Amino acid sequence: NAGVTQTPKFQVLKTGQSMTLQCAQDMNHNSMYWYRQDPGMGLRLIYYSASEGTTDKGEVPNGYNVSRLNKREFSLRLESAAPSQTSVYFCASSSGGSDTEAFFGQGTRLTVV
Amino acid sequence: DAKTTQPTSMDCAEGRAANLPCNHSTISGNEYVYWYRQIHSQGPQYIIHGLKNNETNEMASLIITEDRKSSTLILPHATLRDTAVYYCIVRVALGGGNKLTFGTGTQLKVEL
Repeated sequence: NAGVTQTPKFQVLKTGQSMTLQCAQDMNHNSMYWYRQDPGMGLRLIYYSASEGTTDKGEVPNGYNVSRLNKREFSLRLESAAPSQTSVYFCASSSGGSDTEAFFGQGTRLTVV
Repeated sequence: DAKTTQPTSMDCAEGRAANLPCNHSTISGNEYVYWYRQIHSQGPQYIIHGLKNNETNEMASLIITEDRKSSTLILPHATLRDTAVYYCIVRVALGGGNKLTFGTGTQLKVEL
């Protein structure tokens, strides 16, 4: 049981390049989330998907797009990377009820130069 | 959203109980208190959650005051592997899904 799997684990981009961060969960969870964590900071929500077919903005959505491809997969796209997007990105999933826990992936460490 | 206040850092001797406080004075009646921790730069790990009553699992105990304005996470016998950042979060439920609002947490250092 892999839980939440993120790819890639590390990535270096040049300013202006685009890329997609992949996330997949095998727990049949309804809800999925993308967070970013800057050095010394807590996690901040970028986008979330409460259920398959729906996506909503979180606290810091600017510069990102998401796709809930199916129930298992939730991708995060940077169309034109900027140095301010250098961060660690975490994907998470939960069954969606208010009384449930979230499971996190191990993160993607992205550097934009 | 109810906000939380936690001390920036705490130290604990190995084998002793670690008591991590959290203030959430604006919590609503239907909001849960959750605790997560993050070891090094790994993904956060769920520890425990509660609504009104005290809760205990294999990792920790959660004590919530009667007025629900504060809570304490208790690690009964802290080990070096418990060194981590601990986040107290009040859960926001939104349209069948939910989202977590992380603060900066408490850096717990367990020492010999």
